[in-house]
Amino acid sequence: SQKIEQNSEALNIQEGKTATLTCNYTNYSPAYLQWYRQDPGRGPVFLLLIRENEKEKRKERLKVTFDTTLKQSLFHITASQPADSATYLCALTTGGYQKVTFGIGTKLQVIP
Amino acid sequence: DADVTQTPRNRITKTGKRIMLECSQTKGHDRMYWYRQDPGLGLRLIYYSFDVKDINKGEISDGYSVSRQAQAKFSLSLESAIPNQTALYFCATSDLTGDNTHNEQFFGPGTRLTVL
Repeated sequence: SQKIEQNSEALNIQEGKTATLTCNYTNYSPAYLQWYRQDPGRGPVFLLLIRENEKEKRKERLKVTFDTTLKQSLFHITASQPADSATYLCALTTGGYQKVTFGIGTKLQVIP
Repeated sequence: DADVTQTPRNRITKTGKRIMLECSQTKGHDRMYWYRQDPGLGLRLIYYSFDVKDINKGEISDGYSVSRQAQAKFSLSLESAIPNQTALYFCATSDLTGDNTHNEQFFGPGTRLTVL
């Protein structure tokens, strides 16, 4: 069966360090992998996407890698700040109508 | 003003009651979605609509119905609410034109529904 796995346990990290979040998937062949940020009580907000033929994408302090052989994406936040504390969701885009399926998210807490 | 709005933001109701959640968007998008979010289960798709005359079931449509009244409006109904429908409900929109071939989803602020 198809599965998207994100570490459901919270990730605590010291301010200034690099946070790395993992998204693994099975039985998917995604055309795109997206990352969203969700703050408590709010809807997810799109951050970054990476295509199946791309290895790495960067946007300011964010970096995403995509390994279709390992079926894994890593999401990095460099020089993390307390304002980066949120839940981060990965999402796969697949199929003819571009179906989007979300992982359960990983909660990141950046400690001052 | 917010591009995707949902009403109500919070609702407490009793088992067996009919309830409607409403979603409006000013983004001009054709595609609209209803998701529910539960701790440990993430976002799950209930229904989606690609235009006014198109309605499709998602992965967990049982116990729910929808109506696409206009391009900008998509409502979700619980005909007879039950406690396990207690969740956070999100409306989302998307549009596959231009650069958005990855189908970026634009979410509303959510409705917290409690069924007693």
